[in-house]
Amino acid sequence: QVQLQESGPGLVKPWETLSLTCSVSGGSVSDHYWNWIRQSPGKGLEWIGYTHYTGNTYYNPALRSRVTLSVDTSKNQISLRVSSLTAADTAVYYCAKWAVFNAFDIWGQGTMVTVS
Amino acid sequence: IVLTQSPGTLSLSPGERATLSCRASQSVTSTQFVWYQQKPHQPPRLLIYQTSTRAAGVPDRFSAGGSGTDFTLTISRLEPEDFAVYYCQQYNNPPLTFGGGTRVEIK
Repeated sequence: QVQLQESGPGLVKPWETLSLTCSVSGGSVSDHYWNWIRQSPGKGLEWIGYTHYTGNTYYNPALRSRVTLSVDTSKNQISLRVSSLTAADTAVYYCAKWAVFNAFDIWGQGTMVTVS
Repeated sequence: IVLTQSPGTLSLSPGERATLSCRASQSVTSTQFVWYQQKPHQPPRLLIYQTSTRAAGVPDRFSAGGSGTDFTLTISRLEPEDFAVYYCQQYNNPPLTFGGGTRVEIK
């Protein structure tokens, strides 16, 4: 069973770049599409984008200019970078696996990021 | 596509029936519509995919349906563990979007 674990700094400063990692265990990062989703405190869910080890990547247009997703097959990890941070980027960031039946079937526990 | 969930909050007692609605601003293909459940301090959990198929391990008191722009999640008899926030999601057209959520709380 695939398991996901996000990691990264809990606190970042405005205008800096956030880097998060999602470690995949129980499966190969090459086998699936991987997504990042975030949830601001007390708010709903916002999809950031997806990535695949082939380089096939799609970003939410609302974030496209500031986001980069990538896959590291040697480490079995997925990475997220968000630049030019503001307080509005404060959120729990989740990585999630995209299932063949068109849904997120496995989620990481999420990592809280505060921009301040 | 904007997904609007209603009601925002549903106050019910254990054993009662819950009916949650999700309306899309444009038509969504049935294979691209999903429901999730989220409890405090936990990630969302997949409940229903392709409009009406329960995910592995989801009790049969959860059912869902709909088509086009109107989708519904029904919990036939609420159990204590069902009190949570429920989100709908579509990926008919990118970007993928979620509804704002319906909170099912204990009355």
